[in-house]
Amino acid sequence: KQEVTQIPAALSVPEGENLVLNCSFTDSAIYNLQWFRQDPGKGLTSLLLIQSSQREQTSGRLNASLDKSSGRSTLYIAASQPGDSATYLCAVIDRGSTLGRLYFGRGTQLTVWP
Amino acid sequence: DGGITQSPKYLFRKEGQNVTLSCEQNLNHDAMYWYRQDPGQGLRLIYYSQIVNDFQKGDIAEGYSVSREKKESFPLTVTSAQKNPTAFYLCASSIAGLRGYGYTFGSGTRLTVV
Repeated sequence: KQEVTQIPAALSVPEGENLVLNCSFTDSAIYNLQWFRQDPGKGLTSLLLIQSSQREQTSGRLNASLDKSSGRSTLYIAASQPGDSATYLCAVIDRGSTLGRLYFGRGTQLTVWP
Repeated sequence: DGGITQSPKYLFRKEGQNVTLSCEQNLNHDAMYWYRQDPGQGLRLIYYSQIVNDFQKGDIAEGYSVSREKKESFPLTVTSAQKNPTAFYLCASSIAGLRGYGYTFGSGTRLTVV
């Protein structure tokens, strides 16, 4: 069964720092990997989707990389801002499932202070 | 704008009651899903549906029921058989069969037993 792990579980940094959030998964047979943001009490907002054939995706100050062979992805946040404070979730769609279901990590809770 | 609408945002249930959570999407997605989120845990799959009039159990289906009479709608009923229903419930959709396109999530319903 696919297992997704996110490190660290929590991160607190001053404004302006560049950050790296880590995600690892146990089975490299995936269709894609998706990074989400969740604000307290809210739903999930998709940040970046990386197809299994891609190595990275960029959106503004966010860059996500994927190394399927090692089962790792990183989310890089440049020049962090207090508005980036949220929980970041990593999820993979598994080729082993006929559904193509999402497997989630438990998230990294990020706090950016002014 | 296309998206997923969940209602109500907050729901309170008395012991022994059944309650129904609404999920509507106008994305023309074939597949819809229900996830449960508890503090400190990852999202867990309750039920999913890939086409109208068909749905399958996920990992934690006991005490829940669903229907899929229309493509746009996938309501979740939390029955009295669900012993610990207090949680945050998230509905999602995707283009079935095209697993490279990722998921879209609603804003969630917080259910509390009183």
